Formats: sequence, C-alpha cells, structure tokens
Amino acid sequence: SQTIHQWPATLVQPVGSPLSLECTVEGTSNPNLYWYRQAAGRGLQLLFYSVGIGQISSEVPQNLSASRPQDRQFILSSKKLLLSDSGFYLCAWSGRVGQPQHFGDGTRLSIL
Amino acid sequence: KNQVEQSPQSLIILEGKNCTLQCNYTVSPFSNLRWYKQDTGRGPVSLTIMTFSENTKSNGRYTATLDADTKQSSLHITASQLSDSASYICVVTGATDSWGKLQFGAGTQVVVTP
Repeated sequence: SQTIHQWPATLVQPVGSPLSLECTVEGTSNPNLYWYRQAAGRGLQLLFYSVGIGQISSEVPQNLSASRPQDRQFILSSKKLLLSDSGFYLCAWSGRVGQPQHFGDGTRLSIL
Repeated sequence: KNQVEQSPQSLIILEGKNCTLQCNYTVSPFSNLRWYKQDTGRGPVSLTIMTFSENTKSNGRYTATLDADTKQSSLHITASQLSDSASYICVVTGATDSWGKLQFGAGTQVVVTP
C-alpha cells in the first residue's frame, strides 16, 4: 500500500534562518506531488506541484521554493524565513488525474 | 474570490445526533467534488468523491449529496460520535485542470460533545 511521510511534525525557527521540509512517498511510482499551506480558518493554499523529477510549478509568488530530486521525494525550502511563513504545511500525492490526493500529517512551522 | 464556500463555519452537536454541512461552489466546468475529514494537527483524509453524474455517496455514517445544477453539496453525519470531531473540507476539481488542481473550501469545524 502507498504511504506518505512528512517531517518534522513541528518546527520552530528564527526569522532569517533557512528551511528544509521533506516529503517522501512509498508504494507508488511517478506520483503527482503537492505542497500546501493551511492558515487557521482558511482553505488549503497550493504552493507547488510536480508531475515528475525536476518539474516544479509554483502557484503563488513567495519566499519558498520546492525541488524534486527523486521520483518520490519532494522538498520545500527557503533561504531566509519570514514571519509570514508561519503555518501548517501539508504534502500530498496523487496517482492519475482525477484520483484523490492523499495527504501527509503536516508540519507545524512557527517563526520567531 | 474563493470558488468553494462552506457553511456553517463551525457547529457543536451532541453525541448521537445528526448534522448536515453545506458546500456551494462556482467552479465551472466541474469534474468532481470530494469531502475530506481533517483531525486536529493531521492531514486531511478523503471521505467521499462524486463526479458530475452522481448525486449521493455514502461512507459508513457519512452521506454526501451533490446537485450539479445548483452547484451545491452536503455532507450528512448520522448518529455522531466523539471521533467525528474534526474539520470537514469540501474540495472541487475543475474539468479544465488537467493535472488535478483542487479548489478547497475553508472547512466546517465540528465539535461533538458527550
């Protein structure tokens, strides 16, 4: 069966520090991969999606970047975190278009 | 403007009672609609998915309905349990989104009390 792993579960970082959140998927190949941010009381906001290795599309201009160095690995990064980067970050994968997206358990990021 | 609106924003119900959550969307053309359950601090988990031609789908005590003409969906929870306390999110996929982009509602926070 397929599983998705995200880590860390929680992270506290100072303003201006770098960021690296990792997401890996097991049990499937060539998944579509997604990074979302969820603010309190708001719907999930799509940040990046990837349909293959090295193929990254960004949905909104921001302080973050994403990379997909391997088929089932998706990384969310920042060189210098801002206070506004605080939030709950979710990674997800899907198979063929139209199939449900499966979410990881998220990373709660707090910027001090 | 958000293309998926959910109501109520939150509700409190007694254990054993039923409740209905609403979702209105403007996404067009429409491909499918999904309801997710998100426990606090966890990722969303899919409950149901309905395409244009389906108007009802059940998953245990959860029953979703869809009226594609009025662009409305509802999620009915029967005989609520304490474990039903969660945020319920309505998600719509447009037919033109070839890679599966989803439009998310803000969710309805459900609290089930003993």
